[in-house]
Amino acid sequence: DVKVTQSSRYLVKRTGEKVFLECVQDMDHENMFWYRQDPGLGLRLIYFSYDVKMKEKGDIPEGYSVSREKKERFSLILESASTNQTSMYLCASSLAGMGTGELFFGEGSRLTVL
Amino acid sequence: GNSVTQMEGPVTLSEEAFLTINCTYTATGYPSLFWYVQYPGEGLQLLLKATKADDKGSNKGFEATYRKETTSFHLEKGSVQVSDSAVYFCALRGVFNQFYFGTGTSLTVIP
Repeated sequence: DVKVTQSSRYLVKRTGEKVFLECVQDMDHENMFWYRQDPGLGLRLIYFSYDVKMKEKGDIPEGYSVSREKKERFSLILESASTNQTSMYLCASSLAGMGTGELFFGEGSRLTVL
Repeated sequence: GNSVTQMEGPVTLSEEAFLTINCTYTATGYPSLFWYVQYPGEGLQLLLKATKADDKGSNKGFEATYRKETTSFHLEKGSVQVSDSAVYFCALRGVFNQFYFGTGTSLTVIP
C-alpha cells in the first residue's frame, strides 16, 4: 500500500524551540509539498519541491524552511516556533510532469506551540 | 490565475438526504479537478477526480462532472450516510503541477 508517512501525529513545543517535521513517501514521487491547515482558511501551501535539493516558496513561507536531501524525504523546519504556528501540517506528494495525477497526503502533524 | 471557490458550510443533513456541494474554479489551460475528503483527525484522501471536460468522476456513491462551460465541478450524492460526515475539499491541478484548494465544506449527517 503506497504511503506518505509523517513522523509525528502530535507535537507540543515551546515558543522559540526549533521544530522538525519529517515526511517520507514510498511512491518514488518527484514532487513533495508542505501545507498548513487552519479552520476557515483551508489548505495553504508553505513550500514545495520538484526534485532533490530543490525548493520553491509557496504562499506562506515566512517562518519556515525545508530540506530535501533525498527523493523520498521532505522536512519542514520551524527555526524558532511561535504560537501563531500552532496548526495542522500536512505533507503530500505527487508525480511530476504534465500528468493528471493526484496528491497523496500523509495523516497530518498537529503542532501546538505554547 | 488559478483558484477554487466552494460552498461554505457547515452543512447538516439527515441520513438519506441528497447532497450537493458546489465548486467553481478559475484556471488557465485545462486543469484536472479533484474532490478530497478529510475524516476527523486524519489527512486528506482522494474521493474522485476528472481530467477533462465532461468527464464524470465517481466513488462511494459520490459523483462530480467536469463542466467547462460553467467552470464547475459540483459534488453530489443521492443518499448520504452518517459515515459521510467529514470535510470535503474541491481542488484543481494546474499546468505547472501546483494544486489549488477550496476552503473546505464541513458535512454532518444526523441519523
